[in-house]
Amino acid sequence: SQTIHQWPATLVQPVGSPLSLECTVEGTSNPNLYWYRQAAGRGLQLLFYSVGIGQISSEVPQNLSASRPQDRQFILSSKKLLLSDSGFYLCAWSDQGASGYTFGSGTRLTVV
Amino acid sequence: AQSVAQPEDQVNVAEGNPLTVKCTYSVSGNPYLFWYVQYPNRGLQFLLKYITGDNLVKGSYGFEAEFNKSQTSFHLKKPSALVSDSALYFCAVRDNNAGNMLTFGGGTRLMVKP
Repeated sequence: SQTIHQWPATLVQPVGSPLSLECTVEGTSNPNLYWYRQAAGRGLQLLFYSVGIGQISSEVPQNLSASRPQDRQFILSSKKLLLSDSGFYLCAWSDQGASGYTFGSGTRLTVV
Repeated sequence: AQSVAQPEDQVNVAEGNPLTVKCTYSVSGNPYLFWYVQYPNRGLQFLLKYITGDNLVKGSYGFEAEFNKSQTSFHLKKPSALVSDSALYFCAVRDNNAGNMLTFGGGTRLMVKP
């Protein structure tokens, strides 16, 4: 069966520090991968999505970047965090069919 | 373009009463429709989906949703609410002619009071 792993669960980082959040998927190949941010427990903002290795699409201009170095690995990064980067970050994957998305457990990032 | 609307930020119901969380959508082709639930500090969990076939879809935890093509709606329902159903609910749509991207609604917070 397919599983998605996202870590860490919580992170407190100072302003100006770098960020690396990792997401991996098991049990499938060539998944579509997504990074979302959720502020204040409400709506989802799509940050990046990827349909293949090295193929990254950015939905909004921001202080973040994403990379997909392997088929089932998706990394969210920042060189210098801002206070406004605080939020709940969610990774998700989907296949090419009609099964919808499967989400990771999320990372609560607090920038102080 | 595809879009989805959840017109209620919050729905309050008493335990044991029926609940409805509303969702309307817009797509140019045929819709794939989904409901997800999110508990505090957790990822979204899949509840149910409509792809084709019977307009009434049954999902996890006793939830169901009815696809209404003429009203472009996909409301989530449960006959008898539980306090443990209190959570954030998201409706999502995908146009089956427009790739695999889901568009999510803004979410509706369900509060079930004892």
